Amino acid sequence: AQSVTQPDIHITVSEGASLELRCNYSYGATPYLFWYVQSPGQGLQLLLKYFSGDTLVQGIKGFEAEFKRSQSSFNLRKPSVHWSDAAEYFCAVGASNTGKLIFGQGTTLQVKP
Amino acid sequence: DADVTQTPRNRITKTGKRIMLECSQTKGHDRMYWYRQDPGLGLRLIYYSFDVKDINKGEISDGYSVSRQAQAKFSLSLESAIPNQTALYFCATSDFRGYEQYFGPGTRLTVT
Repeated sequence: AQSVTQPDIHITVSEGASLELRCNYSYGATPYLFWYVQSPGQGLQLLLKYFSGDTLVQGIKGFEAEFKRSQSSFNLRKPSVHWSDAAEYFCAVGASNTGKLIFGQGTTLQVKP
Repeated sequence: DADVTQTPRNRITKTGKRIMLECSQTKGHDRMYWYRQDPGLGLRLIYYSFDVKDINKGEISDGYSVSRQAQAKFSLSLESAIPNQTALYFCATSDFRGYEQYFGPGTRLTVT
């Protein structure tokens, strides 16, 4: 069965520092992978997606993610974090032939001044 | 105007009451979904609908029912609310491929 694991429940970084949020998935074929962000009191917004092709994908707000098949990972990165990036981040995988998304548990990002 | 709207945004109800959460979308999508979010558990799928006549149970459908009144409207009902249904509920839509989903702002439901 498909599954998604976000090993870090909570991460704190200083403003201006780099960020990497980890995501590991379990899936039998080429996955469709997503990162969503949820700001406090808001719904989920799509940051970026991977369907095929270039394994380094660019998203909104300066985020990028790299698909590594050998490691079953799709880690989210940002070179310099801003205070407004404080939010909860969800990784998700598209389940084959069902059109359903399976979400990880989420990682809460706190940004220190 | 938002593409996916949910009403109400917040609701407090008592155990045993029936409650309906509503979702409307203007994206013209066929597919609609209901999720609940609990701390540490991410989002879990309650029900999903591929079109007006195609409704399917998700992983946690017990205690919930849905109605797809039109392409643009998808309602979630709690037949007899219980405290462990206290959660944040999200509606989402997608096109026919079903992967890129667009979320509403959520409904925070508290059952006392």
